Amino acid sequence: DTEVTQTPKHLVMGMTNKKSLKCEQHMGHRAMYWYKQKAKKPPELMFVYSYEKLSINESVPSRFSPECPNSSLLNLHLHALQPEDSALYLCASSQDPAGAQDTQYFGPGTRLTVL
Amino acid sequence: AQRVTQPEKLLSVFKGAPVELKCNYSYSGSPELFWYVQYSRQRLQLLLRHISRESIKGFTADLNKGETSFHLKKPFAQEEDSAMYYCALRTPSYNTDKLIFGTGTRLQVFP
Repeated sequence: DTEVTQTPKHLVMGMTNKKSLKCEQHMGHRAMYWYKQKAKKPPELMFVYSYEKLSINESVPSRFSPECPNSSLLNLHLHALQPEDSALYLCASSQDPAGAQDTQYFGPGTRLTVL
Repeated sequence: AQRVTQPEKLLSVFKGAPVELKCNYSYSGSPELFWYVQYSRQRLQLLLRHISRESIKGFTADLNKGETSFHLKKPFAQEEDSAMYYCALRTPSYNTDKLIFGTGTRLQVFP
């Protein structure tokens, strides 16, 4: 398996709901990333997990809570979101975050709509 | 401050015309640069890495440290090249790394 997969593809939730986004890779990559992408904008980094430890949190509001249960899985737990949080949420992985020219590979994204 | 600049939001050309998508960066360290492409309704895909010095789908990009540029070029554009192109700068730090993306250039290739 040489791809990053994300589920669900689409998610609609209310502001009081709790939901989770899931990301999976089986390439043996040791870093995983969450990005947020608004329409016609570049991806914005949210979180980085390196060797299953949270290494970067780009001052993301606490209503977004990442979790890395193991080296292949990355979750993003959502609670009490706002309509402005509606976006495409991208997951990425890379082989060796400490290595030169480490390359990130992206999943297809989850399109989130908050009502 | 680390920054990637893509000055053109939209670049429109006719099929067969040469294409150059501009990318300039600002980084005090040794830069690692990438081009990613996002076709309509598809995932963000790696197109080129500067260290590879390879040609993918006819595209090439050369790192010019003097001009702090990493422009993407193709001699003859095809309709299937129509997509959003992002230049990205990798800024490694201990045990982790970040990708800083430019704002992107939408390439439209007309028949």
